[in-house]
Amino acid sequence: DTGVSQNPRHKITKRGQNVTFRCDPISEHNRLYWYRQTLGQGPEFLTYFQNEAQLEKSRLLSDRFSAERPKGSFSTLEIQRTEQGDSAMYLCASSHGQGEDNEQFFGPGTRLTVL
Amino acid sequence: KQEVTQIPAALSVPEGENLVLNCSFTDSAIYNLQWFRQDPGKGLTSLLLIQSSQREQTSGRLNASLDKSSGRSTLYIAASQPGDSATYLCAVKTSNSGGYQKVTFGIGTKLQVIP
Repeated sequence: DTGVSQNPRHKITKRGQNVTFRCDPISEHNRLYWYRQTLGQGPEFLTYFQNEAQLEKSRLLSDRFSAERPKGSFSTLEIQRTEQGDSAMYLCASSHGQGEDNEQFFGPGTRLTVL
Repeated sequence: KQEVTQIPAALSVPEGENLVLNCSFTDSAIYNLQWFRQDPGKGLTSLLLIQSSQREQTSGRLNASLDKSSGRSTLYIAASQPGDSATYLCAVKTSNSGGYQKVTFGIGTKLQVIP
């Protein structure tokens, strides 16, 4: 399968614990995006990378959230001191090219439940 | 601030019917508009991408149109099938004040096609 992959697919954690998600984009896609989606809502933009550079962060990305893409390939999203309000589906997408008109391809998502 | 609205929020149609889903956006300075399909608990599948310079795109039974000046897009589904049942999301890509791209989603239209 050469699509975007995300791991784990599901994560259940207790409030206050740290969690880390991984996203592997489509090979050679230089842009990688993270979104959060809660039930009944559309995805909300969190952050995106062009290669290893993190170019934009939403105000939704509080200081408990950090994302990295150290080698410009896979990316990790870490949430520290999780809260129940962090429960959501975390989606990753990737795209190819330098222009602004490129198509995004999404992974299956990681569903986080904070107890 | 870009706002994306999708109408209707939910739609139920008998199999074989043609249908139209609507998407409107407030900031017409977009790079592109993308329509996605999302099955329950799953990631997003890209259906059609319309660049800002284009007026429509077609793929099989799907046709998407874009009217930038009025801030509207429609997704036309011909001869609907039960397998088309899903939530359909539209997303617009714009530039934020920092010059970086931002993608804004609507909350989706939940479609049910009844056999």
